[in-house]
Amino acid sequence: GAVVSQHPSWVICKSGTSVKIECRSLDFQATTMFWYRQFPKQSLMLMATSNEGSKATYEQGVEKDKFLINHASLTLSTLTVTSAHPEDSSFYICSASPGSGGDTQYFGPGTRLTVL
Amino acid sequence: AQSVTQPDIHITVSEGASLELRCNYSYGATPYLFWYVQSPGQGLQLLLKYFSGDTLVQGIKGFEAEFKRSQSSFNLRKPSVHWSDAAEYFCAVGENTGFQKLVFGTGTRLLVSP
Repeated sequence: GAVVSQHPSWVICKSGTSVKIECRSLDFQATTMFWYRQFPKQSLMLMATSNEGSKATYEQGVEKDKFLINHASLTLSTLTVTSAHPEDSSFYICSASPGSGGDTQYFGPGTRLTVL
Repeated sequence: AQSVTQPDIHITVSEGASLELRCNYSYGATPYLFWYVQSPGQGLQLLLKYFSGDTLVQGIKGFEAEFKRSQSSFNLRKPSVHWSDAAEYFCAVGENTGFQKLVFGTGTRLLVSP
């Protein structure tokens, strides 16, 4: 149980284009979903927190207009990297939590984004 | 603001030997503490968590961790390491709030020698 999937697992795009990454909770309803960014050999940095049906809460320093997050249902959240540039190349990981407080986060396998 | 320190960037342990990965946290209130493991090509998998109660927590795959408030530590241990345990291990502290935000340490890479 508690499986989270991400699609695609890897994507290569040209600079200036937009890329959408999907995060799905497969066997539970996710009240809250989180998006992280992981640089090579570094830790996970929280980008934003989203609750179903409401606007995402972004961490300081994260551009909300560049990283669009939509949590349209209790099983799906999307991250769109708009007008991507090479510096946006990274490993993006989502997680989902079934509750709103004190619950474990279950992580997706991540999406490797390479911007040429 | 809360923070997590994992002082060891990488550790090499012989197969069958015991393991201890260190984690220190900084948080004003009672923390929610987690250990996750990340294997190549796979998502982070929860090994164990501490919310309250018994300070010695048992997890999956034979791992355990002990919460020591006086030392602000939550070290991960395993009595006998297997080659399949080679991976990246992350300690994390969660805010005691509705959104349960996690702050991760920088990770410790475990190498297992034959």
